[in-house]
Amino acid sequence: AAGVIQSPRHLIKEKRETATLKCYPIPRHDTVYWYQQGPGQDPQFLISFYEKMQSDKGSIPDRFSAQQFSDYHSELNMSSLELGDSALYFCASSLDGSPLHFGNGTRLTVT
Amino acid sequence: KQEVTQIPAALSVPEGENLVLNCSFTDSAIYNLQWFRQDPGKGLTSLLLIQSSQREQTSGRLNASLDKSSGRSTLYIAASQPGDSATYLCAVDNNAGNMLTFGGGTRLMVKP
Repeated sequence: AAGVIQSPRHLIKEKRETATLKCYPIPRHDTVYWYQQGPGQDPQFLISFYEKMQSDKGSIPDRFSAQQFSDYHSELNMSSLELGDSALYFCASSLDGSPLHFGNGTRLTVT
Repeated sequence: KQEVTQIPAALSVPEGENLVLNCSFTDSAIYNLQWFRQDPGKGLTSLLLIQSSQREQTSGRLNASLDKSSGRSTLYIAASQPGDSATYLCAVDNNAGNMLTFGGGTRLMVKP
C-alpha cells in the first residue's frame, strides 16, 4: 500500500538559509499534518491543512510557512534557519479525520 | 493545556517477558488515544487507537487499555521479542483534529 512520502530524507543547511520540505500524502487523503521532533524530544504539532486550506496551527514559528497544493501535496518552507531548527520533521496524512499515517520524516541539520 | 507523561522512560527486559508501558494525561476530555512505535531515525507507526468511549483495543500480542476518568492508558506487550525493541509513544487527541499531544516515549530493549 502507498505510504506518505517525504523528501528529502536528509537536509543540511547553514544558519540563516532557507529550506523547503515536501510531503506527498497517501492517495485520496485530504488532510496533511506537519510535526517537528527535536533530538530526544517528543513530536510537536506544527500545522495542518484540509482540502488545501489551513485547518489548525500549533507551535509553528513565524519563520515557517506551509501550504497544500491542488494535488494535495504539501510543502513546509523554513526561512532564517537557526541551530534549534535541527530536528526530524514528520508529515502525516489522513482521510476525514481517520488515524494518522506518518511518513519517515526529513532530518534537517542546521550548522 | 494537555500534558502526557510516560513511565518508564526506558525499559530493558529479557525475551519472552510480558510487560506494561504506562501513559498518563492531565486533561481527561480526550477524543482518542493512540499508541505508536518509532524505530531509530524512522517515522511513527500506529499500533492501536482507542476512542474515548472504548476501554481497550487488541492487536496480536498488543493490548491497550484506557481509563479516561483517571487519565491513564497502558500498553501491554505479551511474550516480548527482540523485534519489539523500539520507542513506544502515547499520543492524545483532544479535539478530533489529529493535533496530537505526545508523551516522551518509553525506549524498550528486549534482549535475546
